[in-house]
This record gives sequence, structure tokens and C-alpha cells, in this order.
Amino acid sequence: EDQVTQSPEALRLQEGESSSLNCSYTVSGLRGLFWYRQDPGKGPEFLFTLYSAGEEKEKERLKATLTKKESFLHITAPKPEDSATYLCAVQTGANNLFFGTGTRLTVIP
Amino acid sequence: DAGVIQSPRHEVTEMGQEVTLRCKPISGHNSLFWYRQTMMRGLELLIYFNNNVPIDDSGMPEDRFSAKMPNASFSTLKIQPSEPRDSAVYFCASSLGQLDQPQHFGDGTRLSIL
Repeated sequence: EDQVTQSPEALRLQEGESSSLNCSYTVSGLRGLFWYRQDPGKGPEFLFTLYSAGEEKEKERLKATLTKKESFLHITAPKPEDSATYLCAVQTGANNLFFGTGTRLTVIP
Repeated sequence: DAGVIQSPRHEVTEMGQEVTLRCKPISGHNSLFWYRQTMMRGLELLIYFNNNVPIDDSGMPEDRFSAKMPNASFSTLKIQPSEPRDSAVYFCASSLGQLDQPQHFGDGTRLSIL
């Protein structure tokens, strides 16, 4: 059964304290993995797409990496405005799309 | 540029009533997606259209749910009759391409069925 699991469910960081969010998946063939950011009361906002193991993408303080079993979203020296829920989504070989339940990040000044 | 526009933002209605959610995708996008988000199940893809044609509706939970896309700039998601377990936030998204492309989401409709 296709499954996407994100951990931790919630993460509290001090401003400047770097960390990583995890998205692990067991799916029948990976066609793409997406990271989104969601603020309260808003729809998800696209961050990155990764297509193959070893691929990395960066944007400001965020860096996404991909292996054959999981993806990490690394946050370097986070700021309070990075507080949000981060969602990953996996497009499978059977052309389905599954979202994880997200990691709720809080960055404390 | 205008993003994906959903209406209404909030809807409260009684069990058994018909509910219609509306979505205007980003101009030029050829795919449109409907999602449901709950605390327990997260974000679930219900149905998506490409060039106004439904491609995959396997996520639609029951026959009480239906979706239409009469033209490239408008789509509806209808629930009839509604039940309390349908309470959730419903999102519409659009993209250039299908599941392999980044999606642009609206701000959702928060639906409460009493």
C-alpha cells in the first residue's frame, strides 16, 4: 500500500537553530516528490520538486534532498517567518498523488 | 496576477442540504484539482480535470460528491445530501500540466455541516 509519512509531527526551534524535517515514502514507483508550505488559513504554497535520488534543491534557508526511501527538508538558521506547516507529496508510478500529514514548525524569536 | 479563487470562504449548513463550492483557476492553467483537508487524514485528492475533462475521480468518497468543469475558468464541487462527516476544508488548485507539475492552491472553503 502506498504511504507517505512525515516526521516529526511538530517541531519547535529557537531562531537560528538549524534542523531537518523528514518525509519517508513507500510507493510503487516514484515519479516526483513535492514540498509545500502551508500557513494557517491558507492553501499550500509550492516550494520544490525532486524527481530522482541524489537530487537537491535550495531556496533561501531551505534545502530539499531525496533518496530512494525518503526526502529531507533542511532549514538553516530559521527565522520566525519560517513558522508554518510543511507538507510533502509523492506522485507514484501509478499516477496517483499522496500527501503526508505535515510537520508543524514553530520558530521562536 | 490573480491566484486561484474559491468561494465561499466559509459555509455552515445543516445536514441534508446541498452544498456547492466554486473555483476559478489561474488563467492559462490546464489542470484543476479538488482536495479535502482534515486533521485526521490530511490533504486528500478528490478529483482532477485536464482541459476540462475529468481524468481521475477515484478519490471522491461517495456518490453524494460530484464535480464539474463546464469551461476553463470555472469548476464546482457539489455535495448532496451533506452529512456532518463532510465537514472539512476543501481546496482547489490549478497547474500547467497534470500531477507532475507544481500546483497553485486557493485559500480553501471551510465547510461545517451541523
